[in-house]
Amino acid sequence: AQSVTQLGSHVSVSEGALVLLRCNYSSSVPPYLFWYVQYPNQGLQLLLKYTTGATLVKGINGFEAEFKKSETSFHLTKPSAHMSDAAEYFCAHYNQGGKLIFGQGTELSVKP
Amino acid sequence: NAGVTQTPKFQVLKTGQSMTLQCAQDMNHEYMSWYRQDPGMGLRLIHYSVGAGITDQGEVPNGYNVSRSTTEDFPLRLLSAAPSQTSVYFCASSYGVSNYGYTFGSGTRLTVV
Repeated sequence: AQSVTQLGSHVSVSEGALVLLRCNYSSSVPPYLFWYVQYPNQGLQLLLKYTTGATLVKGINGFEAEFKKSETSFHLTKPSAHMSDAAEYFCAHYNQGGKLIFGQGTELSVKP
Repeated sequence: NAGVTQTPKFQVLKTGQSMTLQCAQDMNHEYMSWYRQDPGMGLRLIHYSVGAGITDQGEVPNGYNVSRSTTEDFPLRLLSAAPSQTSVYFCASSYGVSNYGYTFGSGTRLTVV
């Protein structure tokens, strides 16, 4: 069965530090992978996506992610955290029909 | 475009009551889904649809019904509400999930007492 695992339910970084949010997927077929962000009391907003082609994808707000098939991973990074990056981040995996399956989410805190 | 519109935004139900969460999109998207969000569990797929007249179960379908009579609307029905259905519900739509992902509504916060 298709699944997505996000390592760490809560990550805390200092402002200006590297952000690394981890995501691993399980799939027997090449996946389509997404990262979404949710600010408090709001819906989800697409950050970036991997469909085919280049394995390093860039998204909004300075975030990027690298698809590594050998590690079944799609980790999200940002070189320098801003206070405005504090939110919950979700990794999602699609491989058939209309089913987009989400991980458990990682809450990012940014300390001044 | 209004995008994905969910109503109501907040609702309190008594155990055993029924209700329908409304979802409408004006983007002519074929794909639509319903998710519930609970702390520590991420978003879990309830039901989804790949076009008018076609629906299928997701990860947690029990206690919920859906229908898709038009491209625009995808209502979610709770037949007999239970406290375990207290959650935030999100509707989403897409032109093509593999290439575009889903566009989400702003959610409905449901409390069952």
